[in-house]
Amino acid sequence: AQTVTQSQPEMSVQEAETVTLSCTYDTSESDYYLFWYKQPPSRQMILVIRQEAYKQQNATENRFSVNFQKAAKSFSLKISDSQLGDAAMYFCAYRTGGTASKLTFGTGTRLQVTL
Amino acid sequence: GAVVSQHPSWVICKSGTSVKIECRSLDFQATTMFWYRQFPKQSLMLMATSNEGSKATYEQGVEKDKFLINHASLTLSTLTVTSAHPEDSSFYICSARTPGGQGIPPNIQYFGAGTRLSVL
Repeated sequence: AQTVTQSQPEMSVQEAETVTLSCTYDTSESDYYLFWYKQPPSRQMILVIRQEAYKQQNATENRFSVNFQKAAKSFSLKISDSQLGDAAMYFCAYRTGGTASKLTFGTGTRLQVTL
Repeated sequence: GAVVSQHPSWVICKSGTSVKIECRSLDFQATTMFWYRQFPKQSLMLMATSNEGSKATYEQGVEKDKFLINHASLTLSTLTVTSAHPEDSSFYICSARTPGGQGIPPNIQYFGAGTRLSVL
């Protein structure tokens, strides 16, 4: 079974600084997708960024970027120029490429942003 | 991005009554929707996969007679918690997966805002 591990229960970053959230996964599949979702205090799950495993180039969405290391099965999220609104729970998620596949979530990392 | 609407956002009910939660995909058709349950300070736990026009697929340990799922149209799935008890109090989140060919990235799950259920 696929597993997703987030080893950092909590992280803290100062406003305007950069922070990296870690995620590793275990799979024997070759076709899969990886995601980072954000859950702010409102509890609305928001898609932050996604990465297709077949793409070598790391995905980027404005201040958010990933470091996808396929051989190491690592998928970290870098947040640059952190803002107060970035404070949230961040969940790493994985799914296989099949149409019947389901998301497998990590346990989450709570990010605090300080002034 | 695609929008998923979930209603109600908060519901309080008496023990023994049933509660229905609606999940709608507003700007795309979703043949597949998902229902999750989230306990405080924990990750999302998948309860069931809702497929339009067919029976839902429940995860192991989820009582299908207690958590009734209906996916009657391509934009609406409902979760009914039957004979609710205090232990059913939780945060329930729905999600809809985008299909291909509607101008939005395929096979991406977008989430509703969740429903807080309190059973007295």
